[in-house]
Amino acid sequence: AQTVTQSQPEMSVQEAETVTLSCTYDTSESDYYLFWYKQPPSRQMILVIRQEAYKQQNATENRFSVNFQKAAKSFSLKISDSQLGDAAMYFCAYWGGGSQGNLIFGKGTKLSVKP
Amino acid sequence: EPEVTQTPSHQVTQMGQEVILRCVPISNHLYFYWYRQILGQKVEFLVSFYNNEISEKSEIFDDQFSVERPDGSNFTLKIRSTKLEDSAMYFCASSEFSSLVVGGNNEQFFGPGTRLTVL
Repeated sequence: AQTVTQSQPEMSVQEAETVTLSCTYDTSESDYYLFWYKQPPSRQMILVIRQEAYKQQNATENRFSVNFQKAAKSFSLKISDSQLGDAAMYFCAYWGGGSQGNLIFGKGTKLSVKP
Repeated sequence: EPEVTQTPSHQVTQMGQEVILRCVPISNHLYFYWYRQILGQKVEFLVSFYNNEISEKSEIFDDQFSVERPDGSNFTLKIRSTKLEDSAMYFCASSEFSSLVVGGNNEQFFGPGTRLTVL
């Protein structure tokens, strides 16, 4: 069975600095998607960034980028120029190509941003 | 921007009672999902729904649970006889495509959740 592991329950970053959130996963599939979702306090989860496993190039979305290491089954999220609004719970998620939508989530990392 | 909505935001019920959690997915989406998050734990998949039938379900989704799309806009999750361990945040999500469509927009959009408290 696929699993997703986020080893950092909490992280803290100074405003304008860079922070990296870790995620590892386990799968025997070759085709899948990986996601980072952000959940602000009392708000719904929103998609931050997506990576298709068949793409070698790391995905980027403005200040957010990933380091996707397929062989190592690692998918870390880098947030550059951190802003106060980045404070949230961040979930790494896996979606297998053979499933009809079963997102498998990690436990999440709570990110605090210090002014 | 279209959003997934859920009602109620908070539901308190007595153990053994039936509850129905409601969701309105984004209008052009075809795939619907329920997830739950017990306090302090990870978000867990419950069920996916497409073309008026369940596509996939987890071990959590036992006979006490059912889903329905009664009128073409709402998507409901019913728990027939609630247990204390059903207390959780329940998230509805929808997507335009499933993961099987390469290059398609398979992003799942989540609702704000319903906090279910079973006493």
